[in-house]
Amino acid sequence: AQTVTQSQPEMSVQEAETVTLSCTYDTSESDYYLFWYKQPPSRQMILVIRQEAYKQQNATENRFSVNFQKAAKSFSLKISDSQLGDAAMYFCAYINGANNLFFGTGTRLTVIP
Amino acid sequence: DTEVTQTPKHLVMGMTNKKSLKCEQHMGHRAMYWYKQKAKKPPELMFVYSYEKLSINESVPSRFSPECPNSSLLNLHLHALQPEDSALYLCASSSGGRIGGYTFGSGTRLTVV
Repeated sequence: AQTVTQSQPEMSVQEAETVTLSCTYDTSESDYYLFWYKQPPSRQMILVIRQEAYKQQNATENRFSVNFQKAAKSFSLKISDSQLGDAAMYFCAYINGANNLFFGTGTRLTVIP
Repeated sequence: DTEVTQTPKHLVMGMTNKKSLKCEQHMGHRAMYWYKQKAKKPPELMFVYSYEKLSINESVPSRFSPECPNSSLLNLHLHALQPEDSALYLCASSSGGRIGGYTFGSGTRLTVV
């Protein structure tokens, strides 16, 4: 079974600063995908960034980047130049070989003006 | 159209009522999902439909009954629910290719009284 762990229930960051959210996972599969989703108060899950396990290069999407350490089974999200609109719950997620998506416990990010 | 639409957005029902949640997508995705999300918790997978056939039922009580009338529609029929079933119910769809992740609707906030 796959498990996804986010050890930071809450994080805060000053506007324009950088913050890193942590995620670790456990799996016996070799081919998988990892995602970070954002859930603002509007409730909709929004895909922020994705990483293919077989790619060593870390994914980047504008101000969002990941640090993917496959051997350590670690997948952290870095948000640069934080904006007020980044405030949300962030979920790390894993998709298995059967294409089923499982979420971590989430990190609530607060952005301080 | 790149959206998953869920209706209603809010629902209050009594324990003896019968109601249905509806989910619709027109992206040509052939897999659709129901998740249940309690407050401050991650979404938990309930049902998976692949090519309009139920492929996963994560030990969900029979008072929840999913239905997939066609490739664009997914329903969740509710009957004799309990107050602890109050939650946000999220629908998602995927193309089946894992790299795409899932596209989520904004959910139905269900309150059982």
